[in-house]
Amino acid sequence: QSVLTQPPSVSGAPGQRVTISCTGGSSNIGALYDVHWYQHLPGTAPRVIIYSNTERPSGVPDRFSGSKSGTSASLAITGLQAEDEADYYCQSFDTIVSGVVFGGGTKLTVL
Amino acid sequence: QITLKESGPTLVKPTQTLTLTCTFSGFSLTTDKVGVGWIRQPPGKALEWLALIYWDDDRRYSPSLKTRLTITKDASKNQVVLAMTDVHPEDTATYYCAHTRAATGNFDSWGQGALVTVSS
Repeated sequence: QSVLTQPPSVSGAPGQRVTISCTGGSSNIGALYDVHWYQHLPGTAPRVIIYSNTERPSGVPDRFSGSKSGTSASLAITGLQAEDEADYYCQSFDTIVSGVVFGGGTKLTVL
Repeated sequence: QITLKESGPTLVKPTQTLTLTCTFSGFSLTTDKVGVGWIRQPPGKALEWLALIYWDDDRRYSPSLKTRLTITKDASKNQVVLAMTDVHPEDTATYYCAHTRAATGNFDSWGQGALVTVSS
């Protein structure tokens, strides 16, 4: 059981908008630690697509955006494309763990 | 450009010690705020953080694996080593090392991953 909770799966049709939630608690997201998001395609290394809650690394399309409020964070993907089909993970820091925590991952299916 | 590469055995027997090496370039582990972490993914399961070592030798471990893990660095060789004792079949996974900066906390560069199978 992960410290950060994500829905196991989400889906959407091409062109649609989807959101993936990441729910934590007072020892991680609620403690003002940043949330980061990774896209993981089979057979490849994960890549960060959102860091520090809302920042997008160069090369990541602006269709990807992040937000954070209270003890939760969200990743939004607009204009869904087939190439977005992947697993998505949120990550933060936790004071009880005294280290890194990941969410359980969300599988995005593009219908 | 930052690159990292994991190396180690592909097959380990139960109860043995697994030793993985992360060899990196493009940054130094003597630079302020820089760290290297280890993350694994068992087949069909989620990413799991294992350990992290910072430039100042601060070391953090996953509480569930803390008694079995040791992370060390050799900054002169640009290497970080992770040792896991008493491995079980459940430790079968792809193991990744990744670069981080303490200021942001995200893993911004990852190695390609190394698949390790624990089996007799």
